Amino acid sequence: GAVVSQHPSWVICKSGTSVKIECRSLDFQATTMFWYRQFPKQSLMLMATSNEGSKATYEQGVEKDKFLINHASLTLSTLTVTSAHPEDSSFYICSAPQAGGTDTQYFGPGTRLTVL
Amino acid sequence: KQEVTQIPAALSVPEGENLVLNCSFTDSAIYNLQWFRQDPGKGLTSLLLIQSSQREQTSGRLNASLDKSSGRSTLYIAASQPGDSATYLCAGGETGANNLFFGTGTRLTVIP
Repeated sequence: GAVVSQHPSWVICKSGTSVKIECRSLDFQATTMFWYRQFPKQSLMLMATSNEGSKATYEQGVEKDKFLINHASLTLSTLTVTSAHPEDSSFYICSAPQAGGTDTQYFGPGTRLTVL
Repeated sequence: KQEVTQIPAALSVPEGENLVLNCSFTDSAIYNLQWFRQDPGKGLTSLLLIQSSQREQTSGRLNASLDKSSGRSTLYIAASQPGDSATYLCAGGETGANNLFFGTGTRLTVIP
């Protein structure tokens, strides 16, 4: 099946710094990728939809200036958490539907962000 | 907006038992429904995908059903094994978009 990777798998940073998380589709092209956030013992919540070549669309309550998304190519989307704070500590997961496929979503392994 | 609920939140069964996990959703105009498995601290593994025109899908010991009229889906696991221990998430897809609305999950523990 299709593979989606994320880097880094975990990151610890100080409050106020920015963190970039990469999401790559390894063996297929993805014009759209999704970014989810999962707090402990909660389910995944969609943050934003990343669109190749255009601006991302954000869900209600997600600050676009804080969570910068860049979908520069058909295989790479990046999420940058700017000026991270402890409340941003979470598990961030990206997913991508395979273009022209069967609507199956392929998920990355996730990135654990801890902000001190 | 689709709201997805899963009951129970946690379930413990002895090895070998058959079990059913429940998922309910509010919008019957669901495009598809997926069941995922998530191991602690890990990403998601897709188990089964049911399109809105389908009623069920099977893969090995897993069988998932979809009843749009009642807003329910079930995941049936036959002959459970300790390796089945994980959190199971259901997620509904909406027409015209690919993003998924996730339930809160059922944490399954299969006791050897």
